[in-house]
Amino acid sequence: DVKVTQSSRYLVKRTGEKVFLECVQDMDHENMFWYRQDPGLGLRLIYFSYDVKMKEKGDIPEGYSVSREKKERFSLILESASTNQTSMYLCASSLDNEQFFGPGTRLTVL
Amino acid sequence: KQEVTQIPAALSVPEGENLVLNCSFTDSAIYNLQWFRQDPGKGLTSLLLIQSSQREQTSGRLNASLDKSSGRSTLYIAASQPGDSATYLCAAGRGDDYKLSFGAGTTVTVRA
Repeated sequence: DVKVTQSSRYLVKRTGEKVFLECVQDMDHENMFWYRQDPGLGLRLIYFSYDVKMKEKGDIPEGYSVSREKKERFSLILESASTNQTSMYLCASSLDNEQFFGPGTRLTVL
Repeated sequence: KQEVTQIPAALSVPEGENLVLNCSFTDSAIYNLQWFRQDPGKGLTSLLLIQSSQREQTSGRLNASLDKSSGRSTLYIAASQPGDSATYLCAAGRGDDYKLSFGAGTTVTVRA
């Protein structure tokens, strides 16, 4: 079975802090994705990566950056967290367009 | 741009009834269509994947159909159980960039 893990289930940070969300997959997938999910707005793609050190902006990249130094790990970085970044963050990896998701990180920015 | 719609947004049925969940998409040139289940506060679990060349896929009590010409997919859940209560999302894949376009989901409640 594909396993996608995320470093934290719940995270509370203060405005202005730098926040790192980690995602690891164990199936040697080329593609990895970061989404945020908000009530009424559904899933929105922040960034994705189709290879090591490659990244592309999704629909809402502002305020975020990513890092993919190893194939199995894709990190989402909030350079200076703001209250409007309070959300559920979901990581996924894919093989041939079938996506597999991690358990999610509920981030609260105070 | 692919738009994916799921109607209704919420559905409540008594236990044992068959569930029919609808998904429509605007661009028929899809690569595949994926159905997910999401429990409150959790990530998405992949249920079924239908390739564009297929008409349906089955797994246990679940059956998903795909009609590209009409821009529709339907997820059937036979003999629903309270444990089927969750939000069900569909997503259409383009294939050229590995991205998915998601519907907003249908929240299902199965009453015991």
